[in-house]
Amino acid sequence: DGGITQSPKYLFRKEGQNVTLSCEQNLNHDAMYWYRQDPGQGLRLIYYSQIVNDFQKGDIAEGYSVSREKKESFPLTVTSAQKNPTAFYLCASSRRLNTEAFFGQGTRLTVV
Amino acid sequence: KQEVTQIPAALSVPEGENLVLNCSFTDSAIYNLQWFRQDPGKGLTSLLLIQSSQREQTSGRLNASLDKSSGRSTLYIAASQPGDSATYLCAVNFGNEKLTFGTGTRLTIIP
Repeated sequence: DGGITQSPKYLFRKEGQNVTLSCEQNLNHDAMYWYRQDPGQGLRLIYYSQIVNDFQKGDIAEGYSVSREKKESFPLTVTSAQKNPTAFYLCASSRRLNTEAFFGQGTRLTVV
Repeated sequence: KQEVTQIPAALSVPEGENLVLNCSFTDSAIYNLQWFRQDPGKGLTSLLLIQSSQREQTSGRLNASLDKSSGRSTLYIAASQPGDSATYLCAVNFGNEKLTFGTGTRLTIIP
């Protein structure tokens, strides 16, 4: 089955810790994205990558970092600099930028 | 500022009725528009993609239309079923590498 796999489904972070969210796709897509979803707000773009070894900041990149060492993988690290990290994080991919986007099942991150 | 609005925030209709969900956007220079479905606690499922040059797209009981001049899109659901209950999100690609999302319409189909 082709698709986007995010793990873990639930993640708990202590204050001051960095955590990494995994995103893997087997759709052979060049572009990948990370969005954050908060109640009552539309999804907001954190980072995107249009090709391996390249990535760009989105609208709310502060406190986050990414890497794109492989076409299939686009992990997101939530650093201790992110002041309000509790949210639902969604990874997406598309064949290339500005084409139809497909999403994973999300990771819910909670700060404890 | 490029914005996407979905009104109403919530909608309840009896099973079997046809219904229309609305999406409006502030900039007519769009690249494409996508409708998604989201079940509680889950990711987004792509329903329909309409390119800027298209007026509508159909998939099964779903039909999405696009009117760029008025900045509107509608998602028509025919013969609604309880399984259609979910939040429906409209997302617009204004050609700037990202999707701009509305806040969604939470749809409840009453058996």
